[in-house]
Amino acid sequence: DTAVSQTPKYLVTQMGNDKSIKCEQNLGHDTMYWYKQDSKKFLKIMFSYNNKELIINETVPNRFSPKSPDKAHLNLHINSLELGDSAVYFCASSHGTSGESGELFFGEGSRLTVL
Amino acid sequence: DAKTTQPPSMDCAEGRAANLPCNHSTISGNEYVYWYRQIHSQGPQYIIHGLKNNETNEMASLIITEDRKSSTLILPHATLRDTAVYYCIVKTSYGKLTFGQGTILTVHP
Repeated sequence: DTAVSQTPKYLVTQMGNDKSIKCEQNLGHDTMYWYKQDSKKFLKIMFSYNNKELIINETVPNRFSPKSPDKAHLNLHINSLELGDSAVYFCASSHGTSGESGELFFGEGSRLTVL
Repeated sequence: DAKTTQPPSMDCAEGRAANLPCNHSTISGNEYVYWYRQIHSQGPQYIIHGLKNNETNEMASLIITEDRKSSTLILPHATLRDTAVYYCIVKTSYGKLTFGQGTILTVHP
């Protein structure tokens, strides 16, 4: 069984569109994250949610809006997509409150290409 | 969180031990050393972490110097499937997991 699953795995869209990436974890973890890996392969944290509450919000444009309907899901909605949003987005989860555990379980990533 | 320095790339022969160094000279007393790896086109994978003592698990061993300013990740018998980018990260208990550039380890037949 997949521990952290993301959909879709690939997403190609036009500039200006709105798109969502879904993430689900079946590990019973309390904290979930979104990371962005750009073309230079740098992995940067974007958001962290603990028990559906936002804990970490890095300097991410407000076009990015995470939504956590329950602690097993953390979806990422992106409005007005720009070329620079092209990247691989990774969802992750961990035990405990945000940051308490450094052992994160990552999904396989969602590759977003904005044309 | 303290910054880490890793060599950009390393090679290792299959079946031999791979020793990946990491410098973290500004590490604080409450910061842990974490190692992750990212195999091509996959999500990062947790390997091991430690505070002061050396640690070993089914994947690797972590050797931390007594002054904690550097550490070495050891893959005792590297295989081709260990080819990946290896990240050394230091963080406090409640700090963010921040990835650097890592070391590209290539295991050769």
